Amino acid sequence: SQTIHQWPATLVQPVGSPLSLECTVEGTSNPNLYWYRQAAGRGLQLLFYSVGIGQISSEVPQNLSASRPQDRQFILSSKKLLLSDSGFYLCAWRQVSSHTQYFGPGTRLTVL
Amino acid sequence: QQQVKQSPQSLIVQKGGISIINCAYENTAFDYFPWYQQFPGKGPALLIAIRPDVSEKKEGRFTISFNKSAKQFSLHIMDSQPGDSATYFCAASVGLGGGSNYKLTFGKGTLLTVNP
Repeated sequence: SQTIHQWPATLVQPVGSPLSLECTVEGTSNPNLYWYRQAAGRGLQLLFYSVGIGQISSEVPQNLSASRPQDRQFILSSKKLLLSDSGFYLCAWRQVSSHTQYFGPGTRLTVL
Repeated sequence: QQQVKQSPQSLIVQKGGISIINCAYENTAFDYFPWYQQFPGKGPALLIAIRPDVSEKKEGRFTISFNKSAKQFSLHIMDSQPGDSATYFCAASVGLGGGSNYKLTFGKGTLLTVNP
């Protein structure tokens, strides 16, 4: 069966520090991968998605970037965090042949 | 054109009652409509989904009603339980033939509270 992992689960970082969040998927190959941010405990904002290694599409211009160095690994990064980067970051995946997106457990990021 | 509008923002229901959450869309190319359930501190999980070729889909206490002409769909939770208290998101997407640009468009969510 397929499993999606995210780490760390929680993170507290000072303003101006770098960021690296990791997402990995097990039990599938060539998934489509997605990064979402959920601020204020509610709406889901799509940040990036990837259809393959090295292929990244950005939905919202911002302080963040994404990379996909391996087929089942998706990384969200920032060189300098802003207060507004605080939120709940969710990774999701889907099979190319399926509509269904499966979400990971999320990373709670607090920027102080 | 890509928006999915969800209402209400929050909903309080008594145990045993019916919870109803509504969504409306504009893009007639949407052809897949899932509902996700999210508990605090967790990632959303697929609850139930429907394609526009049917008007209703039921799974246990959860039912999706779909009105293609009105471009609306709704989630009904029968016999609501305190354990159903969560945030619910509707979503929509175009067909898989959309290729590499496939993505879900989410509503803003409904916080459901079921009182015991």
